[in-house]
Amino acid sequence: SQQGEEDPQALSIQEGENATMNCSYKTSINNLQWYRQNSGRGLVHLILIRSNEREKHSGRLRVTLDTSKKSSSLLITASRAADTASYFCATVSRGGTSYGKLTFGQGTILTVHP
Amino acid sequence: DAGVTQSPTHLIKTRGQQVTLRCSPKSGHDTVSWYQQALGQGPQFIFQYYEEEERQRGNFPDRFSGHQFPNYSSELNVNALLLGDSALYLCASTLSSYNEQFFGPGTRLTVL
Repeated sequence: SQQGEEDPQALSIQEGENATMNCSYKTSINNLQWYRQNSGRGLVHLILIRSNEREKHSGRLRVTLDTSKKSSSLLITASRAADTASYFCATVSRGGTSYGKLTFGQGTILTVHP
Repeated sequence: DAGVTQSPTHLIKTRGQQVTLRCSPKSGHDTVSWYQQALGQGPQFIFQYYEEEERQRGNFPDRFSGHQFPNYSSELNVNALLLGDSALYLCASTLSSYNEQFFGPGTRLTVL
């Protein structure tokens, strides 16, 4: 079963604009990760944020985490056509038996027009 | 440094057949997880192998089984294939359970 919802399901923007994707989840987490997937191939890890962190940056990416609302957002600044892909959030539940199992949302399809 | 590799890239089978998918983890990684991704969906966890044992399993029937070898590579076996088993099968490896996982390119399985 999916952990939660991603919003929006699809996002279409122009090059140079910012893209914001949101993710909600249901259980207490150890960490939350964002992945990118191009054309139904393998997933590329973008960023990991732990439950005791509120914000993290990596290049043009900014991730926030609000554990009280069980939500996260991914911001891509100054988007490029090459950012066109599906973006997934995935959570690792808190607890000794999760062993890092990733529970994914359904993803946001981002299209960046040149 | 080779990343996660998977074979084959594509596979076509018929209902009732059996299939074996293979995965080699990133160098230095000892934990391998398998995920199934149906078209338009997020990946779903099948199981995870560590020290040649299945450590955790998702909500998949016993038709799905696996193995991990001493060199940490892994196989996913699916018996009695159903049309609904058609999906992209992804392998991921990691060194520590609570760090990032590295995914392979996937195997696209089509069941006719």
